[in-house]
Amino acid sequence: KNEVEQSPQNLTAQEGEFITINCSYSVGISALHWLQQHPGGGIVSLFMLSSGKKKHGRLIATINIQEKHSSLHITASHPRDSAVYICAVLGNQFYFGTGTSLTVIP
Amino acid sequence: DAEITQSPRHKITETGRQVTLACHQTWNHNNMFWYRQDLGHGLRLIHYSYGVQDTNKGEVSDGYSVSRSNTEDLPLTLESAASSQTSVYFCASSRQWNEKLFFGSGTQLSVL
Repeated sequence: KNEVEQSPQNLTAQEGEFITINCSYSVGISALHWLQQHPGGGIVSLFMLSSGKKKHGRLIATINIQEKHSSLHITASHPRDSAVYICAVLGNQFYFGTGTSLTVIP
Repeated sequence: DAEITQSPRHKITETGRQVTLACHQTWNHNNMFWYRQDLGHGLRLIHYSYGVQDTNKGEVSDGYSVSRSNTEDLPLTLESAASSQTSVYFCASSRQWNEKLFFGSGTQLSVL
């Protein structure tokens, strides 16, 4: 049983395209995190949110607590955005999705 | 700059050997976590600590142990390495339980 489901698993986009990655979860949470993992493995936290929307540069994250759903949007995608994006929710512990592998082609 | 470091980056060992992976953070964070990452699975929690002398088991703790003798370090020990423990291991820390996680660079462990 996966507490966190992400879609799509893999995504290929042309440079400049608008990208959406989705995350659905089944547990009660106090916060949701979006993480980015680059080839080579390092993981960095992009956003932590518990309601509404947050924006950082070309990245936008939204969450709907009632629907238990979050989206990560990337506007004007660039090859350097190529990475695995991981959704993590904080209930009584962190639960992680299996990630969405994004490739942006020049 | 404050950071979280793991060592070694890569380790090859034999079945049955004891292995210790190091994790050191300089943020003075109370909370430290060990996760493993395997294909087809999200990050899975092995052990965690909310402060010195505090350790707790996660969902995949069998065969692993940790100790927390100071704020900065949470070493992960595989008592008798098994091939099923071949994985990438990540250490993470946070200031409070509901705050942002900071990850180390990971340790690729191969048990032959």
